[in-house]
Amino acid sequence: DAGITQSPRHKVTETGTPVTLRCHQTENHRYMYWYRQDPGHGLRLIHYSYGVKDTDKGEVSDGYSVSRSKTEDFLLTLESATSSQTSVYFCAISEILAGGPFETDTQYFGPGTRLTVL
Amino acid sequence: KNQVEQSPQSLIILEGKNCTLQCNYTVSPFSNLRWYKQDTGRGPVSLTIMTFSENTKSNGRYTATLDADTKQSSLHITASQLSDSASYICVVSADGNDYKLSFGAGTTVTVRA
Repeated sequence: DAGITQSPRHKVTETGTPVTLRCHQTENHRYMYWYRQDPGHGLRLIHYSYGVKDTDKGEVSDGYSVSRSKTEDFLLTLESATSSQTSVYFCAISEILAGGPFETDTQYFGPGTRLTVL
Repeated sequence: KNQVEQSPQSLIILEGKNCTLQCNYTVSPFSNLRWYKQDTGRGPVSLTIMTFSENTKSNGRYTATLDADTKQSSLHITASQLSDSASYICVVSADGNDYKLSFGAGTTVTVRA
């Protein structure tokens, strides 16, 4: 899983509680991403970061916030968990290619966190 | 509507047989197309990446093709093995936004002995 760890790997929580998922990388890559994966859907981008303290929203950002205080850590927080946020969450990382035909290298994914909101 | 559509949704093949997965996309302007393999309970792993100027690329028994004119790609698996059982995901990036990707829902391949 390319030097990417996610914690916890599994979590069950109740509606209305805050939840924080952690992504940690040892590759020193600039870009980090949070996705969710649901049956019948492709991976959908929640938030991404292009540097320390630099973050931006993805297509499904409502109800989620992120923080990146260090290059290696990217935190995803569900401010008040809802049942619709039951999903598998993946963190990914990528790096800028110097002189390549495209801007960033392949995204490398972590092992995922399975979150159940009751 | 998803900009990346994959077919079939799932398929079952016998060990040793070949199969082909399809990907149609509407992402524009196109930058590159990637195929990922996702084993059950794991994160996706990159198999191939192709830019608009490439129309075929191989990675072992996996061969991807790209027709940028018709906006279609295929992934061919040759001499399938039990370890090929996985979900295969087509991913397209738009020119200028390589870090924002459009993902297909995936094709689940089951290889049976």
